[in-house]
Amino acid sequence: RKEVEQDPGPFNVPEGATVAFNCTYSNSASQSFFWYRQDCRKEPKLLMSVYSSGNEDGRFTAQLNRASQYISLLIRDSKLSDSATYLCVVNYGQNFVFGPGTRLSVLP
Amino acid sequence: SAVISQKPSRDICQRGTSLTIQCQVDSQVTMMFWYRQQPGQSLTLIATANQGSEATYESGFVIDKFPISRPNLTFSTLTVSNMSPEDSSIYLCSVGRDTLGYGYTFGSGTRLTVV
Repeated sequence: RKEVEQDPGPFNVPEGATVAFNCTYSNSASQSFFWYRQDCRKEPKLLMSVYSSGNEDGRFTAQLNRASQYISLLIRDSKLSDSATYLCVVNYGQNFVFGPGTRLSVLP
Repeated sequence: SAVISQKPSRDICQRGTSLTIQCQVDSQVTMMFWYRQQPGQSLTLIATANQGSEATYESGFVIDKFPISRPNLTFSTLTVSNMSPEDSSIYLCSVGRDTLGYGYTFGSGTRLTVV
């Protein structure tokens, strides 16, 4: 089993749709969790950290369920500019483990 | 967050040659990380570079193939040695804060093609 797994995608959604990505991790000792966004031919950029209490940043909501070892990202009112690959990242001490990513295409 | 300057941004190299990638950070950082992202894949950690000590390599990566230098707290290099087409990939350096809960920042990457 891979350390970090994500929905395989791709997700093709119309503008304005709500889309949710799921991520599971295998190491229960994981300490920090993040969602990164990677545009085509660009480096990954931090989208948001994920906290146990859940957190929201504008149209983006992240949730963490430690008992189920599960992380989610919800994007509301999706925009064309949201098209990218979304990477789930789990931190074990000083090591960051990246999920394979889920590609999102928002269509006009 | 830190600003990272990585170069070259891309290169096309002959098999059997070596390429050195440089990463310059605008602030002092304890650890720098080197990642590889193969086409269509996610990121894989190659090694962690600490100033004043040898780099720590992940399983599947060895110092002879990917020697790393870390002469000070703002700079690191990764060399891809004796290249083969299988080394064609994007190589990224990364830095982060030591405090848990903070994400890491990436350089813009080096797109390497070996022919």
